[in-house]
Amino acid sequence: DGGITQSPKYLFRKEGQNVTLSCEQNLNHDAMYWYRQDPGQGLRLIYYSQIVNDFQKGDIAEGYSVSREKKESFPLTVTSAQKNPTAFYLCASSAQGDRDQPQHFGDGTRLSIL
Amino acid sequence: SQKIEQNSEALNIQEGKTATLTCNYTNYSPAYLQWYRQDPGRGPVFLLLIRENEKEKRKERLKVTFDTTLKQSLFHITASQPADSATYLCALHTGRRALTFGSGTRLQVQP
Repeated sequence: DGGITQSPKYLFRKEGQNVTLSCEQNLNHDAMYWYRQDPGQGLRLIYYSQIVNDFQKGDIAEGYSVSREKKESFPLTVTSAQKNPTAFYLCASSAQGDRDQPQHFGDGTRLSIL
Repeated sequence: SQKIEQNSEALNIQEGKTATLTCNYTNYSPAYLQWYRQDPGRGPVFLLLIRENEKEKRKERLKVTFDTTLKQSLFHITASQPADSATYLCALHTGRRALTFGSGTRLQVQP
């Protein structure tokens, strides 16, 4: 079945540590996105990518980094500079970044501080 | 500032009634608006998209309206069922090639 796979489902970070969240899609979508969701809140955009080897900052990019070396993969690194990383992280993709395309989401990674 | 507002209070209704959720926005002129459903611990799932030249869109028991003058979208679920209980998010394209989401409204349908 086509879809988006996020791993791991749960992740723990130690102080001063960088951690990487995986996002893979087999939908042949050009555009991919990372969102952060805090309890009782909506989704906030971290980074997005319209095409391989290109990406743009979203609203809360500080303390995060991404790469887009392959069409199907868009990993997110939460760096030690992100002082409040505890949240639910969601990856999504769409056929194009155009306005009339729905986004398909993975089932998220829940990141906590040890 | 630009805002997308959804009622943060949970909506509780009886099974069989119509649920109506509201999405208001300011300082945007979106050509499209989308609605998603999110269950606890899961990613959002796309439900419906409505364009600015469409006043209303239907899909089975779901209906969405889009009033660009009022800057408001209404999302209706008719003949609601306990299985409809979830958080519903509206989303707009706000000038960049990515969606901006509202904070969502939690719907609880009582049997």
